[in-house]
Amino acid sequence: DIQMTQSPSSLSASVGDRVTITCRASQGINNYLNWYQQKPGKAPNLLIYAASSLQSGVPSRFSGSGSGTDFTLTISSLQPEDFATYYCQQSYSTPPTFGGGTKVEIK
Amino acid sequence: QVQLVQSGAEVKKPGASVKVSCKASGYTFTSYYMHWVRQAPGQGLEWMGVINPSGGSTIYAHKFQGRVTMTRDTSTSTVYMELSSLRSEDTAVYYCAREVAAAGTVGFDYWGQGTLVTVSS
Repeated sequence: DIQMTQSPSSLSASVGDRVTITCRASQGINNYLNWYQQKPGKAPNLLIYAASSLQSGVPSRFSGSGSGTDFTLTISSLQPEDFATYYCQQSYSTPPTFGGGTKVEIK
Repeated sequence: QVQLVQSGAEVKKPGASVKVSCKASGYTFTSYYMHWVRQAPGQGLEWMGVINPSGGSTIYAHKFQGRVTMTRDTSTSTVYMELSSLRSEDTAVYYCAREVAAAGTVGFDYWGQGTLVTVSS
């Protein structure tokens, strides 16, 4: 199975900050990488697919980049509703696997 | 609009089985694969398997093979996930999630609300 490693596991930031989360795959996965946001008690929500494509309805302050083994999710200006946990997920091979998550907390 | 509505919370004893349902609406049921993902309390997301609602074929994660069965009922647009030989480590929220394929990648664009399964003696 492909291992997905996210860093940091948590971070504290203020409204308006630029936030970057990284995700590393244990082997090359081309651009078969998705990002999700999950709020407490809710199901995950797809933000970014194919490493850099914005899912319909997702604000443009979210962006993704990367290819191969290293990927990033960037929030250009953190908003109050963005405080949540973020997960990456690879779909290069079965089983699809998720990173351990990055919790974004209020500073 | 697309909706995935799951069955309610369950409490089971170790060794028992649980069957969770996921009723789909708002789209053509047989056109999208359905996955099951679980999340233990305070933990990350774990993929369990996938079912093709059209033909009923399945792929299960190695970890759950022999214990999990995914089925579907096309007449009611419902998929089911049954997990047997439950142990305390199976306590988790279980989600169904619709697969979407775009730009070569496969993701999950709609999710059920989750079903909490608690395994306790």
